[in-house]
Amino acid sequence: SQKIEQNSEALNIQEGKTATLTCNYTNYSPAYLQWYRQDPGRGPVFLLLIRENEKEKRKERLKVTFDTTLKQSLFHITASQPADSATYLCALSLYQAGTALIFGKGTTLSVSS
Amino acid sequence: DSGVTQTPKHLITATGQRVTLRCSPRSGDLSVYWYQQSLDQGLQFLIHYYNGEERAKGNILERFSAQQFPDLHSELNLSSLELGDSALYFCASSVEGAMTGELFFGEGSRLTVL
Repeated sequence: SQKIEQNSEALNIQEGKTATLTCNYTNYSPAYLQWYRQDPGRGPVFLLLIRENEKEKRKERLKVTFDTTLKQSLFHITASQPADSATYLCALSLYQAGTALIFGKGTTLSVSS
Repeated sequence: DSGVTQTPKHLITATGQRVTLRCSPRSGDLSVYWYQQSLDQGLQFLIHYYNGEERAKGNILERFSAQQFPDLHSELNLSSLELGDSALYFCASSVEGAMTGELFFGEGSRLTVL
């Protein structure tokens, strides 16, 4: 069956450290992979998009990698800050017409000072 | 502020009732998507409209229906409500119909069915 799996448990790290979140998928062939941030009770906010032919994408303190062989994306936040505490969602965009962005359940990150 | 407006923000109703959720997409966006988010299921895709036409359907129940109007706003109608329909309902918009770019989400409508 098709699945998107993110770290099911919350990730707790100290301020200044690098947070690494994992997104694994099975039985999908995504054209794009996206990462969103969601704060409690708010709508998701887009962070980064990476295409299947791209290995890595960076934006300020954020870095995303995409390994289509391993079927995995890693999302890194360097020099993390308490303000980075939120739930991070990965989402797959497929080539098939008639489909929409498919989201994982998310990983909750907590950064302590 | 994403530019996507959803109303109402909160709604409490009883089982068996019908409600309508409204979404105004960002100016210029032709695509509207509806997602349901519950604690145990995460974000579940319901339906996608592009410029007034239905483009994709996800796990949308037969009791639910949606439409996109000529002014591009969209409504999600939920009828014969059950306790399990309690969730956050998000609307998102994008410029194109194909899934090649980011989605802009509204702040959601929280539905509580008692």
